Amino acid sequence: KAGVTQTPRYLIKTRGQQVTLSCSPISGHRSVSWYQQTPGQGLQFLFEYFSETQRNKGNFPGRFSGRQFSNSRSEMNVSTLELGDSALYLCASRHFPSGTTDTQYFGPGTRLTVL
Amino acid sequence: AQKVTQAQTEISVVEKEDVTLDCVYETRDTTYYLFWYKQPPSGELVFLIRRNSFDEQNEISGRYSWNFQKSTSSFNFTITASQVVDSAVYFCALSEGALGTDKLIFGTGTRLQVFP
Repeated sequence: KAGVTQTPRYLIKTRGQQVTLSCSPISGHRSVSWYQQTPGQGLQFLFEYFSETQRNKGNFPGRFSGRQFSNSRSEMNVSTLELGDSALYLCASRHFPSGTTDTQYFGPGTRLTVL
Repeated sequence: AQKVTQAQTEISVVEKEDVTLDCVYETRDTTYYLFWYKQPPSGELVFLIRRNSFDEQNEISGRYSWNFQKSTSSFNFTITASQVVDSAVYFCALSEGALGTDKLIFGTGTRLQVFP
């Protein structure tokens, strides 16, 4: 079974621009979560989508948004980029709901650099 | 409040040494899940193990073993006979809720360097 895929793998943007990152979950997985990883703040939860609806949101400004499509693929968007948005953005997928706890499996990440 | 503490920022060992990575967690939930992930230089988080709060049995998988102790709120990870390929950053994570449906709360990670 193919793993979680994320595109693009690397991005360079300038301040003020916006960016869209894409995530394709493992086949059959219906939930997609996004995390931001920075040297200063570590790994932080951004949001989770299930059935095209956001079901959980982390403590990030409204510039960070996401959506999920009917095939469970997800995109996240960051508008008006700031230098501090430079990070590795990781996407994770899981079955949910499965009746038992399920594990989040991560993709390779998109490394965003804001200049 | 939920919190995961990995006090060891970096550990260096020589190949074939045993090494233990510590993880201490805080939660008010009685139902929660603990995880360990490995992050090699490529960046992807690789799932290693999941444990629920009702199962304190220790687990062994090859050279890896985990010790879960609710009394001390710890979920430590031991690598026996370490190898160079074990070099990575290891994250402990906590998920609360009956179905583990909540976000993952990560520790700050422990960078393990295994030298030949």
